[in-house]
Amino acid sequence: GEDVEQSLFLSVREGDSSVINCTYTDSSSTYLYWYKQEPGAGLQLLTYIFSNMDMKQDQRLTVLLNKKDKHLSLRIADTQTGDSAIYFCAEKGSGAGSYQLTFGKGTKLSVIP
Amino acid sequence: EAGVAQSPRYKIIEKRQSVAFWCNPISGHATLYWYQQILGQGPKLLIQFQNNGVVDDSQLPKDRFSAERLKGVDSTLKIQPAKLEDSAVYLCASSARLAGGSFGTDTQYFGPGTRLTVL
Repeated sequence: GEDVEQSLFLSVREGDSSVINCTYTDSSSTYLYWYKQEPGAGLQLLTYIFSNMDMKQDQRLTVLLNKKDKHLSLRIADTQTGDSAIYFCAEKGSGAGSYQLTFGKGTKLSVIP
Repeated sequence: EAGVAQSPRYKIIEKRQSVAFWCNPISGHATLYWYQQILGQGPKLLIQFQNNGVVDDSQLPKDRFSAERLKGVDSTLKIQPAKLEDSAVYLCASSARLAGGSFGTDTQYFGPGTRLTVL
């Protein structure tokens, strides 16, 4: 079945860039998403990318997609303490009825002041 | 626009007891999802409704879990009887996906979740 892998932890200094990586196995993925989860809260959609795109930029966020290697990354520029959270990568397949998202285990980002 | 609402936010029960969670999706959203998020894991889909019909419940433990969305709006998820391994956060999400329509990203919007502890 589909699988999404992420590194579990990332620590960066405030003001530096953060890069969170994700790999997935479903080559038929149509959309890939990044969600942010703060303690005690639900998931907040940060950004998404369609599978025929290589890059998407949205303010401080840059998403890179290497479809050949099935590798997705999220770059956060000028990381702030408010960016400390768990970041989930998720992919959606293309099969009939494949509405569900498959999530990774999440990367906990810690920002050091 | 109001977000996805869930209640209660926290629930503590003993094993073998029953529990129910409630979700009110974003107004007008046809599709509703229930996810289970065990500590340290990503969310796992339990069941998906489109309007009041079940689209996918392949990962729902049907011997103890049930869910309904009778009028195609609010939904309840029930566990009866609960086991220790059911301790998790139960997330509800909704999206605008409509049967036969053009779905685009079909972005899912999540509620704050209900944290269940089974003792």
